[in-house]
Amino acid sequence: DTGVSQDPRHKITKRGQNVTFRCDPISEHNRLYWYRQTLGQGPEFLTYFQNEAQLEKSRLLSDRFSAERPKGSFSTLEIQRTEQGDSAMYLCASTKRGGLGNTEAFFGQGTRLTVV
Amino acid sequence: GQQLNQSPQSMFIQEGEDVSMNCTSSSIFNTWLWYKQDPGEGPVLLIALYKAGELTSNGRLTAQFGITRKDSFLNISASIPSDVGIYFCAGRLETSGSRLTFGEGTQLTVNP
Repeated sequence: DTGVSQDPRHKITKRGQNVTFRCDPISEHNRLYWYRQTLGQGPEFLTYFQNEAQLEKSRLLSDRFSAERPKGSFSTLEIQRTEQGDSAMYLCASTKRGGLGNTEAFFGQGTRLTVV
Repeated sequence: GQQLNQSPQSMFIQEGEDVSMNCTSSSIFNTWLWYKQDPGEGPVLLIALYKAGELTSNGRLTAQFGITRKDSFLNISASIPSDVGIYFCAGRLETSGSRLTFGEGTQLTVNP
């Protein structure tokens, strides 16, 4: 499978616990995005990386959220001290921008987080 | 919060009918995209538009980039049951760099 891969697909956690999600983008894509989607809404931008550099963060990304892309390949999104309001689908997307063959965002299947 | 107004919120149609949905904004976009999302899956890109007035087709789907750069529509002709899903418009603002702003989605139900 050469698409965007996210792990896990589903996560149930107790309030106050930390969770970490992983995203593996399409291999030749240099940009990686995280979005959050709540029920009945469209995805909302959280942050994005170009290679290993985190270039933009949304105001939605509180201090409890941190994202990394240490080697410019896979990325992790960690949520500390989870709250019930963090329950959502977390979507990862990747694109190739700059140079020849720019692409639009390809999304992974998402990680569904439920905080109980 | 969302800056795109997508309508209608939901549609119930018979197989074979044509469908139209649209997105409007008070802001200027330099790219309009249309995605489809099935339950439990991520959005899948259907059509991308890059120029004001551009009209692009992908099979039974046709989308247009409004000339004011503040709106876009998507038409689906001769709907079939597998068209069921949530359709999202998404745009890239002139001022927002790389991020996409999504509409709230149109839930399409097709009755056989």
